Amino acid sequence: GAVVSQHPSWVICKSGTSVKIECRSLDFQATTMFWYRQFPKQSLMLMATSNEGSKATYEQGVEKDKFLINHASLTLSTLTVTSAHPEDSSFYICSASSGSLDEQYFGPGTRLTVT
Amino acid sequence: RKEVEQDPGPFNVPEGATVAFNCTYSNSASQSFFWYRQDCRKEPKLLMSVYSSGNEDGRFTAQLNRASQYISLLIRDSKLSDSATYLCVVNNGDSSYKLIFGSGTRLLVRP
Repeated sequence: GAVVSQHPSWVICKSGTSVKIECRSLDFQATTMFWYRQFPKQSLMLMATSNEGSKATYEQGVEKDKFLINHASLTLSTLTVTSAHPEDSSFYICSASSGSLDEQYFGPGTRLTVT
Repeated sequence: RKEVEQDPGPFNVPEGATVAFNCTYSNSASQSFFWYRQDCRKEPKLLMSVYSSGNEDGRFTAQLNRASQYISLLIRDSKLSDSATYLCVVNNGDSSYKLIFGSGTRLLVRP
């Protein structure tokens, strides 16, 4: 149980285009989903927290108009990187929680390369 | 100061060795503590939660010292498959369920 999927697993896009990444909890209802970004040889940095049916809460320094998050259902959250630039190239990982402090399940990540 | 600090390593040890990783955290309100393992280009996977009394899971032993805000992970009888980056993770100490990740300690186990 507690499986989280992400799609796509990798994507290459041109500078200026937008990319949507999906995060799904496959066998449980995720009241909260988290979006992280990880640059090479660095740790995971939380970008935003999203709760189903409400606006996402962004971490300091993360542009909410650039990284659009939608958590429309208890099993799906999407992250859209708008007007992507090469510096947005990173490993984007989502996690999902059913509401317990000790239960946060990670998706396999999406590797974004912006050319 | 980083919220969660770890020695980046790498720790290069022979098979069968015992290796210990340390971690310190700055938020005294943190209530939940974890060690995650991350393989290259993969997502982190929970290795074990860390409890105040210390806990063991097979070859892995985790310890927590709340007074010193210090967490440790001991790996006994290292296997080649233990080669990975080990992430020390604490929660944010509020009701947000946020996790704060250390930058990880890289372990290389050689034959």
